[in-house]
Amino acid sequence: LAKTTQPISMDSYEGQEVNITCSHNNIATNDYITWYQQFPSQGPRFIIQGYKTKVTNEVASLFIPADRKSSTLSLPRVSLSDTAVYYCLVGDEAAGNKLTFGGGTRVLVKP
Amino acid sequence: GAVVSQHPSRVICKSGTSVKIECRSLDFQATTMFWYRQFPKQSLMLMATSNEGSKATYEQGVEKDKFLINHASLTLSTLTVTSAHPEDSSFYICSYKSHNRGQDTEAFFGQGTRLTVV
Repeated sequence: LAKTTQPISMDSYEGQEVNITCSHNNIATNDYITWYQQFPSQGPRFIIQGYKTKVTNEVASLFIPADRKSSTLSLPRVSLSDTAVYYCLVGDEAAGNKLTFGGGTRVLVKP
Repeated sequence: GAVVSQHPSRVICKSGTSVKIECRSLDFQATTMFWYRQFPKQSLMLMATSNEGSKATYEQGVEKDKFLINHASLTLSTLTVTSAHPEDSSFYICSYKSHNRGQDTEAFFGQGTRLTVV
């Protein structure tokens, strides 16, 4: 499974855009990039998934450059409730559906 | 999306006793579920893969006799922490990941169980 590297923490303010970059230099051809959000004392929750270029849904955008060795999760206009840990995972069905979590990025949104 | 229900959300037990954590899939049949453990300020660590009707597969370093996993039906997987000790105090989370050939699919997680051993 490809290893991922993310910043340990980031601070932001309400209304700002937060961009979290994840490095995955050893990503394989069949790997997808998936981001999860975890609030304290809760299980993680799926945010977004992509393979290449850009993916957008109602909560976030995911930017993936052509070489796919990194990806950036973009959270537009964050609010206090977006304070959480964000995990970037890389893998595919061949991994047996096991998810290997890296350290994650702790995002603190300040008023 | 799929709903995974985990119970209890919190449990406090005495050292030496056993604790059972249940993980139910409410709207799907799960042949495979995953159990994670998470210590404070740390990431999730996969403990084992629970397979319906067969033995669980444990990750390296996880004691199978201490963390008993039973997946007797397609909707229920249980994790029993036997002879619990304070160092077993942690946040335990179950997960289900569906299959979809040709792409990676999202995983669904239970609410987690906060175990405190005193």
